[in-house]
Amino acid sequence: AQSVAQPEDQVNVAEGNPLTVKCTYSVSGNPYLFWYVQYPNRGLQFLLKYITGDNLVKGSYGFEAEFNKSQTSFHLKKPSALVSDSALYFCAVRPNTGGFKTIFGAGTRLFVKA
Amino acid sequence: GAVVSQHPSRVICKSGTSVKIECRSLDFQATTMFWYRQFPKKSLMLMATSNEGSKATYEQGVEKDKFLINHASLTLSTLTVTSAHPEDSSFYICSARGGVGTNEKLFFGSGTQLSVL
Repeated sequence: AQSVAQPEDQVNVAEGNPLTVKCTYSVSGNPYLFWYVQYPNRGLQFLLKYITGDNLVKGSYGFEAEFNKSQTSFHLKKPSALVSDSALYFCAVRPNTGGFKTIFGAGTRLFVKA
Repeated sequence: GAVVSQHPSRVICKSGTSVKIECRSLDFQATTMFWYRQFPKKSLMLMATSNEGSKATYEQGVEKDKFLINHASLTLSTLTVTSAHPEDSSFYICSARGGVGTNEKLFFGSGTQLSVL
């Protein structure tokens, strides 16, 4: 079955330190990969995507993600965390089989401490 | 950028009543919209895919007679929770497939918190 795994329920990091939010997936073929962020009682906001090309993609608010095909991973990273980055982050995968159905991970709550 | 408006943001209703949630694409035409349900501290569960002018496609386990979806125009999809019960209480989010040039992104509404008493 197709799935997306975010192994950490919560990630804690001090402001100014680098952060990593992990994501691995089990989807055949060459799927499209996404990261979204959700603030309390809000919908999701797009951060970045990988479709093809350079394995390191840059997105909004200084976030970037590294695609690793052999490990089927798409970890979200940021060199220097801000308190305002505290939110719920979702990794998402869209199988490249036509259609727009997207599979979401369970989400990882990022807490950045001042 | 593309904006999706979802209304209401919060609704409280009595058990047995029906609730309608609207999802509008404000500055683009959305031929396809998606309805998700999110439980506390859980991921988004895709409920159905709504296509303009045709019947919605429901995911396995989602009751189509309970969660009525109508996508009558290119900018509006509605989800009606019929005969709501407390177990239907949840956060419901709609999203729309972006138009030309939006690079595969989904655009999300701000969600509706449904509480059934």
